[in-house]
Amino acid sequence: QQQVKQSPQSLIVQKGGISIINCAYENTAFDYFPWYQQFPGKGPALLIAIRPDVSEKKEGRFTISFNKSAKQFSLHIMDSQPGDSATYFCAASKAGNQFYFGTGTSLTVIP
Amino acid sequence: DGGITQSPKYLFRKEGQNVTLSCEQNLNHDAMYWYRQDPGQGLRLIYYSQIVNDFQKGDIAEGYSVSREKKESFPLTVTSAQKNPTAFYLCASSPGLAGVTTQYFGPGTRLLVL
Repeated sequence: QQQVKQSPQSLIVQKGGISIINCAYENTAFDYFPWYQQFPGKGPALLIAIRPDVSEKKEGRFTISFNKSAKQFSLHIMDSQPGDSATYFCAASKAGNQFYFGTGTSLTVIP
Repeated sequence: DGGITQSPKYLFRKEGQNVTLSCEQNLNHDAMYWYRQDPGQGLRLIYYSQIVNDFQKGDIAEGYSVSREKKESFPLTVTSAQKNPTAFYLCASSPGLAGVTTQYFGPGTRLLVL
């Protein structure tokens, strides 16, 4: 059973637009929710992360929105740029133990 | 220069052959992980280790083996029992301390079957 469900599978956004990727989880014991960015042939790199005691976290153009009651969290990329074109993964973990990853979203930002 | 290194970048396996993927970290992290990445399936956990000389199976451990003799090293062996080994393999580490849960990834090894 997929512990973390991610959508959409792929996303195409115009330069300057907002990219939104959504994730949902089942286990209410999860206490850490990171987002990773991966370029082709490279390992994922941590982009931004949130804990369930806050509803939003912003770092530059990247924002995580977290809805604890709905068990959902999303990544918003403001003013999307062609350099943001990559695959994005959401994840969840409990107390730093096993991490569960979404299936990834391939983002393409067109000029 | 701190980080996680994986070698080789590309690895070719012949039928019936065991191959070993290297993962080294100099971040002084306690926990290390191996993931397999296939197109459209995200990252699936093969094995993980929270401390030296101890490791646990992940979701897809069959056909794989690991060792953790040193804190900085966590090699993965893909055995001949793994019938579909072609994939991108990622090693990761984390501090392993309560409340510090960020996971860092290496650059990956792509395994291809001849």
